[in-house]
Amino acid sequence: DAGVTQSPTHLIKTRGQQVTLRCSPKSGHDTVSWYQQALGQGPQFIFQYYEEEERQRGNFPDRFSGHQFPNYSSELNVNALLLGDSALYLCASSLSMDYEQYFGPGTRLTVT
Amino acid sequence: SQQGEEDPQALSIQEGENATMNCSYKTSINNLQWYRQNSGRGLVHLILIRSNEREKHSGRLRVTLDTSKKSSSLLITASRAADTASYFCATDGYGNNRLAFGKGNQVVVIP
Repeated sequence: DAGVTQSPTHLIKTRGQQVTLRCSPKSGHDTVSWYQQALGQGPQFIFQYYEEEERQRGNFPDRFSGHQFPNYSSELNVNALLLGDSALYLCASSLSMDYEQYFGPGTRLTVT
Repeated sequence: SQQGEEDPQALSIQEGENATMNCSYKTSINNLQWYRQNSGRGLVHLILIRSNEREKHSGRLRVTLDTSKKSSSLLITASRAADTASYFCATDGYGNNRLAFGKGNQVVVIP
């Protein structure tokens, strides 16, 4: 049974560019949440998708957007990248409102 | 929103010793969870304790929760080198499974 997968593993972008990160949830899970983890910090909640709609959103600007597909996979898009967007981006999946979330290995984004 | 915050201490212990780390939060919670993270990679779920529980065990892990003090502790007994990692507590609210994480505790177990 495959767990949560994320791609790519690493990414280097330049300020002002746009980036798309991808996540496939654990089999049977229908809810995907995205978190940003800066170096030395705990993860910060970005948003959550369920039934292809954004259900909850954290304190992140509109430059951060997402999408969920009918197969429950999800994308995180960040526009107009800033140096401060450099972080580990984690995807977590769960079954609806189940509180136990399963995390993927993350995508390390570096903005230069 | 709820915020778990660990005591920001780095622990360095010998293999076989016990490791204890603490977490405090600010508002009412539904659940408190502990996660482990190795080398800045994905988070591994360790244990979940509900707000109406006071103590929970899972293998070598023991978690306590004191809702009156808004605090939790994680005890790892008989530590192993493989326990070397960062440990995070995370809280969620009623009808809301978004997690609020603390800054994490770094634990180094010396063989």
